[in-house]
Amino acid sequence: SYELTQPPSVSVSPGQTARITCSGDALPKKYAYWYQQKPGQAPVLVMYEDTIRPSGIPERFSGSSSGTMSTLIISGAQVEDEADYYCYSTDRNENYKVFGGGTKLTVL
Amino acid sequence: DVHLVESGGGLVQPGGSLRLSCAASGFNFNNYWMSWVRQAPGKGLEWVANIKTDGSETYYVDSVEGRFTISRDNVKNSLFLQMHSLRVEDTAVYYCARAVRCRRCPQYYFDYWGQGILVTVSS
Repeated sequence: SYELTQPPSVSVSPGQTARITCSGDALPKKYAYWYQQKPGQAPVLVMYEDTIRPSGIPERFSGSSSGTMSTLIISGAQVEDEADYYCYSTDRNENYKVFGGGTKLTVL
Repeated sequence: DVHLVESGGGLVQPGGSLRLSCAASGFNFNNYWMSWVRQAPGKGLEWVANIKTDGSETYYVDSVEGRFTISRDNVKNSLFLQMHSLRVEDTAVYYCARAVRCRRCPQYYFDYWGQGILVTVSS
């Protein structure tokens, strides 16, 4: 099996920078992808291939990756960014497709 | 705009069967791998199954292998998930998702999702 590990929660004040981490043994060789999910809604892709922001996602969202850890960065977090965030990736052989356990971001 | 709309969910007893459907529009369905992803109540996301553009390849998470079958109808732009021998732990919201390939690597990820459909397995 393969696991991605995220902190259960992150809390910041509005305007601060939020950093949500995702660790996995295969991340030096595999990209991470990030999804935002608000209550009662479907997940939305906010970052792909570690650092690429999809069209329509605010510029305050960025991504980085180093070694076994990928990070979603929200610079100047807004109240509307409160959500659960999930990383996604695969093991080295593409046998396991997994999501991290999710991180609840609180902005208040 | 890409639209994915799931249907077919509901309440089923343990050991029962259910077939989920996903109607796709707004893109060339034939050109994309498709997936099902589920989320148990109050829990995280779990990839369930993938299917290749022409249906010739399918992949499943270990926990549903042999019980679930993913299929597609490229004429009707529809994706399906046939679920047999359902267990209480299969209770979840099931999302239909479009899968796209990383630009220069073999990874597939999910760029558009439906709103999800609830499947409840309970006696």
